[in-house]
Amino acid sequence: GENVEQHPSTLSVQEGDSAVIKCTYSDSASNYFPWYKQELGKRPQLIIDIRSNVGEKKDQRIAVTLNKTAKHFSLHITETQPEDSAVYFCAARGNYQLIWGAGTKLIIKP
Amino acid sequence: KAGVTQTPRYLIKTRGQQVTLSCSPISGHRSVSWYQQTPGQGLQFLFEYFSETQRNKGNFPGRFSGRQFSNSRSEMNVSTLELGDSALYLCASSFGEMNTEAFFGQGTRLTVV
Repeated sequence: GENVEQHPSTLSVQEGDSAVIKCTYSDSASNYFPWYKQELGKRPQLIIDIRSNVGEKKDQRIAVTLNKTAKHFSLHITETQPEDSAVYFCAARGNYQLIWGAGTKLIIKP
Repeated sequence: KAGVTQTPRYLIKTRGQQVTLSCSPISGHRSVSWYQQTPGQGLQFLFEYFSETQRNKGNFPGRFSGRQFSNSRSEMNVSTLELGDSALYLCASSFGEMNTEAFFGQGTRLTVV
C-alpha cells in the first residue's frame, strides 16, 4: 500500500545549527506535501507545505524541497532555536487521504 | 473563528465498555479525519468523512467506527474496549479539497483500565 518513510526518527543538533528531515513517498500520484510540528502535549500544527508543481518553498528559517522524480521531500530548519524542539511529521496526499510519516523528534542542544 | 473542538478531553473507561468521542470541525469544513496517537508513536489514520460519507478507512478492527452528521460534526465509537486502545485520539478538519490544510483538535485522551 501507499506509505511515507521518514528519517531520522530522532535528530539532535546544536542550537544555531541546521536540521534536515527527509521523507520518501510511494504513491506517484501524491501532489501535496505538508509538514506538521507537534510540541509536547500539544496538537500537530502545519508549519509549511508544498505542492507538486513547486520544487522549493521557504518561510523564514524553514524550507521544504521536493524531488518528484525521486519521490522524496525534505524539511530544512536553519539557525535552530530551543523552541524548534518538537516532533515533526511529514505527509503526502494522494487520493484524499493524507499518508503520514512516523515522525522525527528534534532535540536542540544548548 | 473557533478551532476544532473535541469532547471530552479526558476519559477513563473499563475494558469491555464502549466509548463515543465527538469532534466539531471549523465552520465551513466538510472533511473530518480521525487519528490514534500512542506515546512516542506517529499518527495512525482511523478514517475520514466528507459530507457524511466515509471516504477512507485505516487498518483498524471493526470495533472502531465513526459517522458524520449533516452539520459536519463527527463522532467515533470504540466498542469492547481493550487496554491497547488507550491513546490520544485526534481529529482534524479541512475544507475537503485535495490540497488544503488540516487543522487538529486538542484530542481526547482515552485511558482503558
